[in-house]
Amino acid sequence: QVQLVESGGGLVKPGGSLRLSCAASGFRFSDYYMTWIRQAPGKGLEWISYISPSSSTIYYADSVRGRFTVSRDNAKTSLYLQINSLRADDTAVYYCAIDGSGPNGGYWGQGTLVTVSS
Amino acid sequence: QSVLTQPPSVSGAPGQRVTISCTGSSSNIGAHYDVHWYQQLPGTVPKRLIYGNNNRPSGVPDRFSGSKSGTSASLVITGLQAEDEGDYYCQSYDSSLSAYVIFGGGTKLTVL
Repeated sequence: QVQLVESGGGLVKPGGSLRLSCAASGFRFSDYYMTWIRQAPGKGLEWISYISPSSSTIYYADSVRGRFTVSRDNAKTSLYLQINSLRADDTAVYYCAIDGSGPNGGYWGQGTLVTVSS
Repeated sequence: QSVLTQPPSVSGAPGQRVTISCTGSSSNIGAHYDVHWYQQLPGTVPKRLIYGNNNRPSGVPDRFSGSKSGTSASLVITGLQAEDEGDYYCQSYDSSLSAYVIFGGGTKLTVL
């Protein structure tokens, strides 16, 4: 079965950095578009980044462009999100997800919590 | 403010039918991008209910249906059940430079 397992979250000071990872299994990872989505406490869903199977196409939300970098390693079936210059409003649960298109898409991991506080 | 507009809340009694709207524009839903719908029950991870405007993944009850017309989409839930209470989000794509994947602000469904 499809599994997405995020890791790397934690408590970090403003201005700090983290690298989030998402280990994928149960599907042909190299065939799928992947996304990172976050949800601040008590708030709605906010899309952050999108990466194509070959990494040739990458998009970012305005709110994170220039501070966040998405990457993937198809050999390791893993997705990554390097997050720099963290701010208090980056505090959220970060989810990796298979893009919602198609019958085999739309799966989400359990999320990893990033808390930015001094 | 979300690019896709959803009502903040809807409600209905058990057994009733409710509709959640999702209004976009010519750069997203109206540009023929697909709409997907997600359900987030309290304390859980979002789950995809509808993909490609009107397709249900296996395991999703046929009480849930989706449609799209022009710059808007709708999620209809029939035979409302207490366990349907939660938040519902529409998602699409946008051709503008500021975002590619876009979500609605979410709709809180209350089962009376």
